[in-house]
Amino acid sequence: EVQLVESGGGLVQPGGSLRLSCAASGFTFRNYAMSWVRQAPGKGLEWVSTITGSDGSTYYADSVKGRFTISRGNSKNTLYLQMNSLTAGDTAIYHCAQNDAASGTVFDYWGQGALVTVSS
Amino acid sequence: EIVLTQSPGTLSLSPGERVTLSCRASQSLSSTYLAWYQQKPGQAPRLLIFDASKRPTGIPDRFSGSASGTDFTLTISRLEPEDFAVYYCQQYGDSPRRMWAFGQGTKVEIK
Repeated sequence: EVQLVESGGGLVQPGGSLRLSCAASGFTFRNYAMSWVRQAPGKGLEWVSTITGSDGSTYYADSVKGRFTISRGNSKNTLYLQMNSLTAGDTAIYHCAQNDAASGTVFDYWGQGALVTVSS
Repeated sequence: EIVLTQSPGTLSLSPGERVTLSCRASQSLSSTYLAWYQQKPGQAPRLLIFDASKRPTGIPDRFSGSASGTDFTLTISRLEPEDFAVYYCQQYGDSPRRMWAFGQGTKVEIK
């Protein structure tokens, strides 16, 4: 059974940094692209970033490019999101998701998410 | 940039009714890369449809998807009580760079 468990969320001041982790189990982690998708309170889903499984290529939404860094530790079956220069607009639940094996274009499995609150 | 517009914003329906949700893409991309998700309050989204019309294992056959050009449709043939939720479409594009995008969602609520 695929399991994705996020951690590292919390309250951070504007301009601050936070690193999220996503512990993966139930599948061969290194073989899959992985993503972060966020959801602001009461709002819809927003794709944040994706990292491929094969060569670790990374992709970012314009809203976070230059501030967020996605990475992975294949030996630890863990996905990371380093978030810098945080603003109130980054307040959201951050879900990690497994991309499908065939094309990497959809999100097959999701974690419950970690809440990040940016406030002074 | 991929922009997906879902309509309507909210639907008020009764169990047993047929539901049709729409998602329009701002540009013509491969219909292969269109997916639908269901999200219930306090839960993570769940993949319902991929490649515009295919169901993952375990998704009931009352859920179906179709495509016509830049217009995509999710149909629930007969609403069950557990189907009241928010539905999102999602598309993938790779020109000029790889990106993923979601529509703003349609809420299906009990009438």
